[in-house]
Amino acid sequence: DIQLTQSPSFLSASVGDRVTVTCRASQGVGTYLAWYQQKLGKAPKVLIYAASILQDGVPSRFSGSGFGTEFTLTISSLRPEDSATYFCQQLDTYPITFGQGTRLEIK
Amino acid sequence: QVHLVESGGGVVQPGRSLRLSCAASGFSFDGYALHWVRQAPGKGLEWVAGISFDGSDEFIADSLKGRLTISRDNSRDTLFLQMNNLRPEDTAVYYCTRLYRVTTGDTFDFWGQGTMVTVSS
Repeated sequence: DIQLTQSPSFLSASVGDRVTVTCRASQGVGTYLAWYQQKLGKAPKVLIYAASILQDGVPSRFSGSGFGTEFTLTISSLRPEDSATYFCQQLDTYPITFGQGTRLEIK
Repeated sequence: QVHLVESGGGVVQPGRSLRLSCAASGFSFDGYALHWVRQAPGKGLEWVAGISFDGSDEFIADSLKGRLTISRDNSRDTLFLQMNNLRPEDTAVYYCTRLYRVTTGDTFDFWGQGTMVTVSS
């Protein structure tokens, strides 16, 4: 199985900050990497897919990059509503796997 | 507008069975693969199973093989997850989700609201 390791697991930042979350895969997944945002009690929502494609309706302050085994999700200027848990996911190989999550707190 | 609505969750004793359903609307159901993802209380996301657009291919997480069956009825726009011999560690919110494919990568682009399964005596 492909293991995805996110860092950090917890992040505390202020409104307007630029934050980056990293996702490392135990083997190459090409660009078959997606990022999701999950707020408490809600279903996950896709932000980025194919490593860098912004999902329709997602604010442009979110961006993704990477290929193979190392990927990043960047939020260019934090807003209060970005408080959530973020997960990466690989869809290159079954079983599909998720990272353990990064909880983002807005100070 | 795409909608996925799960049902069938509840409280069940260990060893019993449960069948989850996911009713879809707002898109061409038979044009998409569909998947189940679960989330135990306070934990991360775990992929459970997936099925191709026509039901010809099924994928089940290794740890769940033998106890879970995924199926679909394209005439009723409904996805199913049959869960047998349930264990306390199966306690989770179960989400139905649609697989969206592009040439450079896939994603689960729409999710249901989830249905809670609690396995407890």
